[in-house]
Amino acid sequence: AQRVTQPEKLLSVFKGAPVELKCNYSYSGSPELFWYVQYSRQRLQLLLRHISRESIKGFTADLNKGETSFHLKKPFAQEEDSAMYYCARLNFGNEKLTFGTGTRLTIIP
Amino acid sequence: NAGVTQTPKFRVLKTGQSMTLLCAQDMNHEYMYWYRQDPGMGLRLIHYSVGEGTTAKGEVPDGYNVSRLKKQNFLLGLESAAPSQTSVYFCASSYSLSRGGTEAFFGQGTRLTVV
Repeated sequence: AQRVTQPEKLLSVFKGAPVELKCNYSYSGSPELFWYVQYSRQRLQLLLRHISRESIKGFTADLNKGETSFHLKKPFAQEEDSAMYYCARLNFGNEKLTFGTGTRLTIIP
Repeated sequence: NAGVTQTPKFRVLKTGQSMTLLCAQDMNHEYMYWYRQDPGMGLRLIHYSVGEGTTAKGEVPDGYNVSRLKKQNFLLGLESAAPSQTSVYFCASSYSLSRGGTEAFFGQGTRLTVV
């Protein structure tokens, strides 16, 4: 099974400090990976996708095939970044979209 | 543009009762997904559909059935609800994510409690 692992369930970071949310995937060719975010009382929404290589809300994520990782980073945390973050992987063959267990990020003022 | 709409938003069921959750999308998406969200477990795929009239099992299909009779609707059924099915259920839809679709769009969720 193609798995997505987010090792941190909870992460607290001071405002202005750098943020890194970890995501590792099981190796299988060229994966397509996503980061989704869920703010309090809102639906999940796409934060960024590997193939688009865009930076959204100051977040970036680089695919490291050697380490099979797709960590999400932001240089300076803001209070509005407090949310639940999910890493997800697409299986190209059957279009299954599989999510990790999520990391709840709390920004400390 | 409503996007993805789930009905109902909240429901309390007694053990053994049945119910159907409705997901409706107005974006003409081929693909639709049902997930459940549980603390510490993240989002787990229950069933999904790659087109009208087709369904496939996800990671945790047991105890659920689905139907996709119309392209815009994806129904999730619980034939005999159990307390272990207490969860928040999310529906999502997309164009093919491997052939041009940019993202899966999510509904607002249905909070189901089985007592």
